[in-house]
Amino acid sequence: SYVLTQPPSVSVAPGETARITCAGNNIGSNSVHWYQQKSGQAPVVVISYDSDRPSGIPERFSGSNSGNTATLTISRVEAGDEADYYCQVWDNSSVFGPGTTVTVL
Amino acid sequence: QVQLQESGPGLVKPSETLSLTCAVSGDSISSQSHYWGWIRQPPGKGLEWIGSIYYTGTTFYNPSLNSGFTISVDTAKNHFSLKLTSVTAADTALYFCARQRGIGGAWKYWGLGTLVTVSS
Repeated sequence: SYVLTQPPSVSVAPGETARITCAGNNIGSNSVHWYQQKSGQAPVVVISYDSDRPSGIPERFSGSNSGNTATLTISRVEAGDEADYYCQVWDNSSVFGPGTTVTVL
Repeated sequence: QVQLQESGPGLVKPSETLSLTCAVSGDSISSQSHYWGWIRQPPGKGLEWIGSIYYTGTTFYNPSLNSGFTISVDTAKNHFSLKLTSVTAADTALYFCARQRGIGGAWKYWGLGTLVTVSS
């Protein structure tokens, strides 16, 4: 089955840029979706289809996908961005990455 | 406003059957555009897709999980269900139901989740 790899954690200072990677074999040929999950809450999609931002999601969230790596970028990080972030693709089944915990210093 | 709400027992004994239902409001489960699915999250761990169903009854399951899962749909009641037979402690998790636009789309709408504990 398809495997996605994410760094376990990313730490970033307020106002700086956080980049979260999601690696998978030729992931650039798949559509990648990104979710934010805050403690005790259901996940919220922040980026769909590699780079589409759903209504209500700040412009600070952006995504890209090419080759073997997809990336979620959070610009001008705020304290409220502290959460777990998951990438997800469909490859004959819905596959989630292991998640990345973003800590705002 | 699309809303999904999970319901079911919070405690199940080992070897018994887990049954959960997801009630959908604000949308028809017979929508031709959407798939409906179950995703679980063991305590302190990541998200794991269990499976999805289309209103016609077509199902997709996670090949990495055992075959004890069954997902069904009731279009008259506008809900869908999950059954897992012979549960073990490893099935203890927060179970979410969710809606997906197209089989490869993002899971845009989620229920709040229901915690299921497997213990004697």
